[in-house]
Formats: sequence, structure tokens, C-alpha cells
Amino acid sequence: EAGVTQFPSHSVIEKGQTVTLRCDPISGHDNLYWYRRVMGKEIKFLLHFVKESKQDESGMPNNRFLAERTGGTYSTLKVQPAELEDSGVYFCASSQDPPPGYNSPLHFGNGTRLTVT
Amino acid sequence: GQQVMQIPQYQHVQEGEDFTTYCNSSTTLSNIQWYKQRPGGHPVFLIQLVKSGEVKKQKRLTFQFGEAKKNSSLHITATQTTDVGTYFCAGRSGGGADGLTFGKGTHLIIQP
Repeated sequence: EAGVTQFPSHSVIEKGQTVTLRCDPISGHDNLYWYRRVMGKEIKFLLHFVKESKQDESGMPNNRFLAERTGGTYSTLKVQPAELEDSGVYFCASSQDPPPGYNSPLHFGNGTRLTVT
Repeated sequence: GQQVMQIPQYQHVQEGEDFTTYCNSSTTLSNIQWYKQRPGGHPVFLIQLVKSGEVKKQKRLTFQFGEAKKNSSLHITATQTTDVGTYFCAGRSGGGADGLTFGKGTHLIIQP
């Protein structure tokens, strides 16, 4: 089966510009997550979709970040306008629904390395 | 909110030596997962522990979940160069499909 794919792999933009990241989850995975890792720090949760609905967006840093998952398939994460502190690697992950009491393993994409200059 | 702390941040070992990374949660976890990220790669799921005091082995890797379900460890016996990478623990207080809280990871560097 194809894994989680993310596009682009790298993006370099200037402060104030807009960038849109895309994630295609594994087919059949209703759960889609966005995470961000700033260099040397933890992988920080941003938000979680179940199909097209936002289940939890408590990790979104501010209103400059907008995530969508129209139709419950692929997802986009837009940063507008980008700031220097938004630099980092943005990972998308997907999972199946878990058995009761378990967490499903996350299948990560290769990430998008965003550099804001 | 929930916090997951992981130590050490970096670990240098000679090839053949053992390695251990420790994970502590500020809250009781329903389960804990471990991931490995190779340099330039993405996190890859290794294992999930669910039961209090559980111990699981994968070849040279031994995973433990504490009795109070607030801490966990990963031990690698006789490290090899292929073990290089960052090891993350990730937990959540309840079961389900919601987002996990990751530790900062332990970077394992192996000197041949």
C-alpha cells in the first residue's frame, strides 16, 4: 500500500508570504494529523481530522494557520502570513480507528521542511 | 496539559555498547508508543505498550512500561550502526485515535 505522501518536501519563503502544504493519507485512514517539529524540540501536535471534521485543533499555534480536509481525503495546511518562528518540519500522519483502549499507530509522511527567511 | 519528558537528549555510544532512553509522563497513560526517526527520515512506529509493568522485546530492543503507567524505557543491547537515529516516546491519557503527546526524543549517535 502507498504510504502517507506530503508535498512539497521543502519550501523556502520570505516572511509575510503564504505557503500551502499538502498531505495525502493512506487510503482508508479516517484519522489524519498534522504535527510540527522545530529543530531539537519535540514533535508537537497541531490538529486531528476524523474524515473531513476537525476533531481536535488545540495545537494550532494561532489563526495564521488554516487546515482543511475537504471530502475527507487529502488535507492542506496553509500558513498566511508566514513568520520566522514557523520554520520547522511539518509532518502529516494518518491512522485507522483503533481497538478500544488502544491508540492506533501513526503512519508518518516524510514531512515538509519549511524555512521562513 | 499533558507533558512527556524524555532523557537523555543525546547519547553517544561506542558500537557494541548498550543504550537506554527514558520517558516520563506528568499524567497516567493508557498506553505508550515508541517511534524511531532515522536522520533525514520520518518517525516510524516501533511498538505500543498497554499493560502496567509490560515488557516487550524486538530482537535487541527491550521496551518497558512502568507499574504506575507513567514511565517507560527503551533499551538496546549491543548497539549497531543501523540503530542510529532519534527515538521518541509518545503517549496519551486515554485510548482512541486522538493526537499523541511526543517526548523531545533521544538522539543516538554511534561511534564505530
